[in-house]
Amino acid sequence: EVQLVESGGGLVKPGGSLRLSCAASGFTFSSYSMNWVRQAPGKGLEWVSSISSSSSYIYYADSVKGRFTISRDNAKNSLYLQMNSLRAEDTAVYYCARSNAWGQGTMVTVSS
Amino acid sequence: QLVLTQSPSASASLGASVKLTCTLSSGHSSYAIAWHQQQPEKGPRYLMKLNSDGSHSKGDGIPDRFSGSSSGAERYLTISSLQSEDEADYYCQTWGTWVFGGGTKLTVL
Repeated sequence: EVQLVESGGGLVKPGGSLRLSCAASGFTFSSYSMNWVRQAPGKGLEWVSSISSSSSYIYYADSVKGRFTISRDNAKNSLYLQMNSLRAEDTAVYYCARSNAWGQGTMVTVSS
Repeated sequence: QLVLTQSPSASASLGASVKLTCTLSSGHSSYAIAWHQQQPEKGPRYLMKLNSDGSHSKGDGIPDRFSGSSSGAERYLTISSLQSEDEADYYCQTWGTWVFGGGTKLTVL
């Protein structure tokens, strides 16, 4: 069974940093591109970032470019999202996602 | 610019059928999409990949009540024999490029 389990969310002040992790199991992690998607309270889904299977190709939404960094460790079956210079508008549930599978999400709240 | 358009809301009665629509912007009518379901207070759940020719492949455990079809730039999700647990938000997303529609909130009456 495919499982994606996010962790690392929490409350952080504006301008602060947070690192999200996603532990993958039940499939050959190194064969799949992976993604982060977020959902602000009461809003729809917003793609944040994608990384190819070997990390050769990385893409970001304009809203996070220059502040967020996606990475992965195929040996550890893990996906990461380093979030710097956080803003109130980054407040959302962050989901780790494969093309056909989702994690349960981790909440990030940016507030003073 | 690639845009997916969904109606904000839809409703249908328990036991009936409903057809949700996702429209691809001009010039993108050949794109495959994915449908996802998000029940209240839960994370999204992958339902299916839907190709431009109407062929589709569903995720593990997705009931036969859920089916997909296509016509031109429109992609459809049909849910038959509606059940109370089908009340949810439904999102379409371009396959491989992660552009989302705004979502349709389905109410089961």
